[in-house]
Amino acid sequence: DAGVTQSPTHLIKTRGQHVTLRCSPISGHKSVSWYQQVLGQGPQFIFQYYEKEERGRGNFPDRFSARQFPNYSSELNVNALLLGDSALYLCASSTDSFSYNEQFFGPGTRLTVL
Amino acid sequence: SQELEQSPQSLIVQEGKNLTINCTSSKTLYGLYWYKQKYGEGLIFLMMLQKGGEEKSHEKITAKLDEKKQQSSLHITASQPSHAGIYLCGAPPGGSNYKLTFGKGTLLTVNP
Repeated sequence: DAGVTQSPTHLIKTRGQHVTLRCSPISGHKSVSWYQQVLGQGPQFIFQYYEKEERGRGNFPDRFSARQFPNYSSELNVNALLLGDSALYLCASSTDSFSYNEQFFGPGTRLTVL
Repeated sequence: SQELEQSPQSLIVQEGKNLTINCTSSKTLYGLYWYKQKYGEGLIFLMMLQKGGEEKSHEKITAKLDEKKQQSSLHITASQPSHAGIYLCGAPPGGSNYKLTFGKGTLLTVNP
């Protein structure tokens, strides 16, 4: 079975632009979470979606938004990019968001903002 | 908010040596995840601990959760170059996988 997939692998944008990152969870997983990891730090929680509903969000500005589709894939959108948005964006999937279960991460999307 | 402190921040060992990485929480641990990350890549799931005193092993890696100490340890026996990478611990604020908080990671180098 395929693991969590993310696209694109790498992305270079300039300040002020908009970006869309995509994630496909493991088959059968209905929960998707997004994390931001800057160099030298651990991942920071951005959003979690379950059954197309936002379960919660971390301490990120409204420039960050996300959605989940009927097939449980997800998009993370970031508007008005800042230099500080440069990071590795990770997607994680799990069967649900209510129980303590395994959470698997994708390979990430490396975003560089110039 | 919960904070996870990992120690040491970095570790260099000779191949074949044993090593331990610790993860200490500022709040009660309801569970703990251990991941491995190659530089700039995604996180590889190692194991998940749920109960105090629980110990799990996979190949040469053993992890244990000490609820009273609010701490988890990851032990690697007879290290190999393939063990090199960044080890991250992550913990949920409650009894689910929601909104994990991660430590900053421990960089492990294994010299052949």
